Amino acid sequence: SQQGEEDPQALSIQEGENATMNCSYKTSINNLQWYRQNSGRGLVHLILIRSNEREKHSGRLRVTLDTSKKSSSLLITASRAADTASYFCATVDFGNEKLTFGTGTRLTIIP
Amino acid sequence: EPEVTQTPSHQVTQMGQEVILRCVPISNHLYFYWYRQILGQKVEFLVSFYNNEISEKSEIFDDQFSVERPDGSNFTLKIRSTKLEDSAMYFCASRRTGMLSSPLHFGNGTRLTVT
Repeated sequence: SQQGEEDPQALSIQEGENATMNCSYKTSINNLQWYRQNSGRGLVHLILIRSNEREKHSGRLRVTLDTSKKSSSLLITASRAADTASYFCATVDFGNEKLTFGTGTRLTIIP
Repeated sequence: EPEVTQTPSHQVTQMGQEVILRCVPISNHLYFYWYRQILGQKVEFLVSFYNNEISEKSEIFDDQFSVERPDGSNFTLKIRSTKLEDSAMYFCASRRTGMLSSPLHFGNGTRLTVT
């Protein structure tokens, strides 16, 4: 698999439900970040988790990181129509400042 | 909240022509980046820029590409002779520090269409 692969590629849920997206990567990372992209717009930083952290919360977002499995998950609780967007994980390796993005999950919240 | 702004939002050009994509990073940011996203594909790193120098570039960033910070506010990406495969969304990003845990702030992108 490629660095930063996400699944599912697309997810549709009812408003109010929780949405979970997963990301896998291959390298030794310094940190992993999640970004949101609304259609035709730029990427908005959501949350960052360092390699020595296992879980992080920000509002309705919960991120986990399992460095032994090289995977991360993003949970959005109590979804809203405004959460409809594409979500990307991005990794930063040690000694390398660039972000390596995943393939993204397109999330659709059905009102 | 301060934003990264990019102009134009959409640029159409003919193959072989030169294009300049413009970005105004957040004013107190020191580290600047260009990424691109071909339709339906991953966001890909092109180049990073700090202290008026390229600090890192990808294989995509060949001799046809160049970046410049001509004044204290603008950050530009130039493609000298565009190819059809350069058609993509180009995103500028900036951040205040070089710490690996410092998140990037992205602009809304310039959609480049090469015909």
